[in-house]
Amino acid sequence: AQSVAQPEDQVNVAEGNPLTVKCTYSVSGNPYLFWYVQYPNRGLQFLLKYITGDNLVKGSYGFEAEFNKSQTSFHLKKPSALVSDSALYFCAVRDRGNYGQNFVFGPGTRLSVLP
Amino acid sequence: GAGVSQSPSNKVTEKGKDVELRCDPISGHTALYWYRQSLGQGLEFLIYFQGNSAPDKSGLPSDRFSAERTGGSVSTLTIQRTQQEDSAVYLCASSPGTSGSSQETQYFGPGTRLLVL
Repeated sequence: AQSVAQPEDQVNVAEGNPLTVKCTYSVSGNPYLFWYVQYPNRGLQFLLKYITGDNLVKGSYGFEAEFNKSQTSFHLKKPSALVSDSALYFCAVRDRGNYGQNFVFGPGTRLSVLP
Repeated sequence: GAGVSQSPSNKVTEKGKDVELRCDPISGHTALYWYRQSLGQGLEFLIYFQGNSAPDKSGLPSDRFSAERTGGSVSTLTIQRTQQEDSAVYLCASSPGTSGSSQETQYFGPGTRLLVL
């Protein structure tokens, strides 16, 4: 069975500081990994994904994430946070070898960037 | 091109009534997903359609919930005899659904906010 954990319900960071939102996963095979962001009163927007290749993935709005197979992690990072990054962030996984299986989303982490 | 659309955007109903929520996926997307998001909570998977295959209904919380997808395009999620705990935002997403490709990204609609009084 697939599962995703986001160990922090809330992350607070000062504007201009680096930010990290953590995600760990469990799949029986190799994963497809995703990050989505949900701004207040808006739908989910795709940020970035890891399918294969380079473990460091760059996405929208200056975000990046690193796939670490040994630690089964896919932490989201940004070198310098903006107040406008404040939102709810979801990590998601799908088992690459099990086509037809749905995505599993983590519980979400609320990021607050303080001015 | 148009993204995923959902209607209605808001629905207020009385306990015990039936409701239908509609999702129009992106044209050509073969995969369609329904999720439920309660206030401030994560996404709860409900049901997944992939092409002509039998849908994955493993996330439906009770037999009051059902969904269909006509002609491989528009989907309707039906909740019968609504209960107050059904109040949530119901999100629909579609994806190209091509196996083994990089086109696995889900595109989400704006959601339908359901309130059961």
